[in-house]
Amino acid sequence: KAGVTQTPRYLIKTRGQQVTLSCSPISGHRSVSWYQQTPGQGLQFLFEYFSETQRNKGNFPGRFSGRQFSNSRSEMNVSTLELGDSALYLCASSLIARGVWGSQETQYFGPGTRLLVL
Amino acid sequence: EDKVVQSPLSLVVHEGDTVTLNCSYEVTNFRSLLWYKQEKKAPTFLFMLTSSGIEKKSGRLSSILDKKELFSILNITATQTGDSAIYLCAVAPNTGNQFYFGTGTSLTVIP
Repeated sequence: KAGVTQTPRYLIKTRGQQVTLSCSPISGHRSVSWYQQTPGQGLQFLFEYFSETQRNKGNFPGRFSGRQFSNSRSEMNVSTLELGDSALYLCASSLIARGVWGSQETQYFGPGTRLLVL
Repeated sequence: EDKVVQSPLSLVVHEGDTVTLNCSYEVTNFRSLLWYKQEKKAPTFLFMLTSSGIEKKSGRLSSILDKKELFSILNITATQTGDSAIYLCAVAPNTGNQFYFGTGTSLTVIP
């Protein structure tokens, strides 16, 4: 089975621009979560989608948004980029939404998109 | 506020040494604790722990959870250079789908 894929892998933008990142989950996985990883803050949760609905949102400004398509692929968008948005953006998929015990709830991560804002 | 704290932040050891990584947490409605290994890219899943006192093992790696004291340890015996990575601890609560991650422990194993 193919793993989680993210595109693009690397991106350089300037302040004020916007960016769209894409994530394709493992086949059959319906839950997609997005995280921002920076050296000082570690992984911070952005949002989670299941069946095209945002189920949970982290503490990020409204410039960060996302969506999920019917095939479970997800995109996140960051508008009006700031220097502090430079980070590794990781997407993770899991088989099923929470509430089910066992390894099904384990999140599997993609390779990430490294965003640099100049 | 829910939080996960890992220690030490970084560690440098020689091949063959044994290391213990720590993860403590304060998360409302704890469900499970997960360990991941992150090399240059995607974190890869190591263990998921839900019950206290039951050790999980995979080769030279093992982990255990103490739900009374709210912590977990990850042990790596006979370390190898390939163990060099950031080790992430995450806690999943009962409600919502958010995983709370620690900042990680950066392990460097030198020959």
